[in-house]
Amino acid sequence: NAGVTQTPKFRILKIGQSMTLQCTQDMNHNYMYWYRQDPGMGLKLIYYSVGAGITDKGEVPNGYNVSRSTTEDFPLRLELAAPSQTSVYFCASSYETSVLAQYFGPGTRLTVL
Amino acid sequence: ILNVEQSPQSLHVQEGDSTNFTCSFPSSNFYALHWYRWETAKSPEALFVMTLNGDEKKKGRISATLNTKEGYSYLYIKGSQPEDSATYLCASYSGGGADGLTFGKGTHLIIQP
Repeated sequence: NAGVTQTPKFRILKIGQSMTLQCTQDMNHNYMYWYRQDPGMGLKLIYYSVGAGITDKGEVPNGYNVSRSTTEDFPLRLELAAPSQTSVYFCASSYETSVLAQYFGPGTRLTVL
Repeated sequence: ILNVEQSPQSLHVQEGDSTNFTCSFPSSNFYALHWYRWETAKSPEALFVMTLNGDEKKKGRISATLNTKEGYSYLYIKGSQPEDSATYLCASYSGGGADGLTFGKGTHLIIQP
């Protein structure tokens, strides 16, 4: 049982490039989330999903897209990378709504130059 | 948008001493309050999720209380040990049709031998 896995661990992008951050969970959790962590700030919710085929915006969705074609996978897409997207990205999952604990992946550190 | 505030921002405690810190959150539309422990180079791990006013939860030397009427929660660590050094995050869930947590900036705890 690997829990929540994320790839890659680190990535450097040039301005305007695109990439997909991968997130997979093997706990059969319905709910999945993407957060970003900036220095001196709390984790900010980017997007979330309550089940396969259903996604919704969080607090800071601009510049990102998500999809949820399976229960296990919740990739985050950056289409035109900008320096403001330099951050550490965490994927999390929970069995049901946020009245239950969330399980976090190890994070992806992204730098946009 | 909820504002979750944590204090103090950082804390140095002697090994063996007990300590506590605070999380304040808007009390309207409250659903749940989460505490996470985040060690350097790891991902956040859930300590407690509390939903009811007056809730008290305990895990070993760590305990937490919840006051939903006035919008605060305390985390207590009894007899601090070096392995307690971490950032402690609190997060609030307000429901209202949207899911996901609103996090505070964390309290960075350093236990000095």
